[in-house]
Amino acid sequence: AQSVAQPEDQVNVAEGNPLTVKCTYSVSGNPYLFWYVQYPNRGLQFLLKYITGDNLVKGSYGFEAEFNKSQTSFHLKKPSALVSDSALYFCAVRDISGGSYIPTFGRGTSLIVHP
Amino acid sequence: EAGVAQSPRYKIIEKRQSVAFWCNPISGHATLYWYQQILGQGPKLLIQFQNNGVVDDSQLPKDRFSAERLKGVDSTLKIQPAKLEDSAVYLCASSTRLAGTAYEQYFGPGTRLTVT
Repeated sequence: AQSVAQPEDQVNVAEGNPLTVKCTYSVSGNPYLFWYVQYPNRGLQFLLKYITGDNLVKGSYGFEAEFNKSQTSFHLKKPSALVSDSALYFCAVRDISGGSYIPTFGRGTSLIVHP
Repeated sequence: EAGVAQSPRYKIIEKRQSVAFWCNPISGHATLYWYQQILGQGPKLLIQFQNNGVVDDSQLPKDRFSAERLKGVDSTLKIQPAKLEDSAVYLCASSTRLAGTAYEQYFGPGTRLTVT
């Protein structure tokens, strides 16, 4: 079985400061990992993914995420937060060894960037 | 490039009534997904199509939910009869990649269903 946890319902950060949104996962085999962002009244938008290779993945809007196999984590990061980054962020995982095509999404973390 | 289109955007029905949602994916995308997103939760995949065939519908409550993608393009999701717990946002997504690969999905704006 696969699962994903986003331990923080909300993250608050001041504009210009670095931000981190946490994600941990559990799979039987190897994971595909994704981050999506959801703005109010809009659908989810793809940010970045980890498949294999370099543990540091760079994505859209200056975001990056680091895959840590030993800690089973895939935290989303950005060096300098913008007010416009305020949104709901979802981490998703798919166990590529499980034979299922179903991704599992976390509950989401609300990021609030204060001016 | 036009995005994923969904209609209606909002729907309010009474329990035991029927409702249908429509989705038109991005042109050329072979794979189409329907998700249910209950308030405060992440999206839950209901069904996945590749062209006009079902790849996975293991999480679709088949006693009341049905979906089709007859011509391999647009799709409809139906609920009959609706229950209070079906109140959610129904998201449609599409992908150019084949099922089973490390795909990223493109999501529509969703349909917010309220069952009273």
